[in-house]
Amino acid sequence: DGGITQSPKYLFRKEGQNVTLSCEQNLNHDAMYWYRQDPGQGLRLIYYSQIVNDFQKGDIAEGYSVSREKKESFPLTVTSAQKNPTAFYLCASSRIGGEVGYTFGSGTRLTVV
Amino acid sequence: QKEVEQDPGPLSVPEGAIVSLNCTYSNSAFQYFMWYRQYSRKGPELLMYTYSSGNKEDGRFTAQVDKSSKYISLFIRDSQPSDSATYLCAMRDTGGFKTIFGAGTRLFVKA
Repeated sequence: DGGITQSPKYLFRKEGQNVTLSCEQNLNHDAMYWYRQDPGQGLRLIYYSQIVNDFQKGDIAEGYSVSREKKESFPLTVTSAQKNPTAFYLCASSRIGGEVGYTFGSGTRLTVV
Repeated sequence: QKEVEQDPGPLSVPEGAIVSLNCTYSNSAFQYFMWYRQYSRKGPELLMYTYSSGNKEDGRFTAQVDKSSKYISLFIRDSQPSDSATYLCAMRDTGGFKTIFGAGTRLFVKA
């Protein structure tokens, strides 16, 4: 079955550590996105990529970094510069043009300990 | 002011009730209007979308868009306990790439 796989489901980070969240899709979608979800705030866009080796900052990119070396993969690194990283992180993908809407992964819950 | 406003609820209804979920928005350039359903600790899934104004029906779900009032609605008929979830509205313009999401309304349907 086609879909998006996010791992791990739960992640704990110590203060000052960088952590990387994995996102893999087998839908042959060109575009991929990372969102952060906090209670009462909806989804906020961190980074997005429309093509391999290219990506753009979203609304809250500070303290995060991404790479897009393969069409299927779009990992997100939460760096120590992100002061409030505890949140639910969602990866999504979509075709460019035509189809409306995103396919989301199941999310990664990151907690700072 | 946020571009998309959505009452976070929670909204609690008895099984079989008609549910009305709503969003307002400020950007008149929005043309695509989407509704996602999100179960607890899961990613959102696209329920349905409409383009520009009008209604769209899919089974027990009906989406309405009133562009003159900048107001969109999702109606759920004969609600079931399995409909208990958070419902997020989302929208974007025709040429744009970025989708703006509402905060989501949490719905509980009691058996």
